[in-house]
Amino acid sequence: QKEVEQDPGPLSVPEGAIVSLNCTYSNSAFQYFMWYRQYSRKGPELLMYTYSSGNKEDGRFTAQVDKSSKYISLFIRDSQPSDSATYLCAMIGNTGFQKLVFGTGTRLLVSP
Amino acid sequence: ETGVTQSPTHLIKTRGQQVTLRCSSQSGHNTVSWYQQALGQGPQFIFQYYREEENGRGNFPPRFSGLQFPNYSSELNVNALELDDSALYLCASSFWTSGSYEQFFGPGTRLTVL
Repeated sequence: QKEVEQDPGPLSVPEGAIVSLNCTYSNSAFQYFMWYRQYSRKGPELLMYTYSSGNKEDGRFTAQVDKSSKYISLFIRDSQPSDSATYLCAMIGNTGFQKLVFGTGTRLLVSP
Repeated sequence: ETGVTQSPTHLIKTRGQQVTLRCSSQSGHNTVSWYQQALGQGPQFIFQYYREEENGRGNFPPRFSGLQFPNYSSELNVNALELDDSALYLCASSFWTSGSYEQFFGPGTRLTVL
């Protein structure tokens, strides 16, 4: 079993839709949670960074962490064709060094 | 743009050869991590350098090695290349401090092993 599970998609939505992307994890030591966006043949771009349980909002993006369920989500409001990319969740625990553990990524397609 | 640069962009090698990939960290960052991303997968942690010392390693064999220089640029060396080493290699820079774990990635080097 992988430490971080993420549906690979693809997830296809029309422009303007609300998108929900999710990851589950098994390691209760994870405390810091991140979402990265990766366009084709590019490096991952940090979108959201949260600590422990709770919500964080930044523009059209909202990140949620539920540590009791080992479940994290990223919501994208008013989705745009430019949001079409692969979204990677990543998390880190108390390893003494900064090892990010990633999900496989969910490919999102937003059609005009 | 993150300010993290990598070279070369693409590289083709044959099995058994050796390769060196380079990374220039974001200004002010003292930590660099290297990741391997196979097609359709998330990045896998290779190792991390802090102040020129390796301070963490993932499940990669010793033929994967690295260096970090005083100016915080770094190298990833892979010896005895295998076909499965074909992947996108990403470096990520960060500033090591308590409670700060944000890592900023470069564009990657795509390595093809034939």
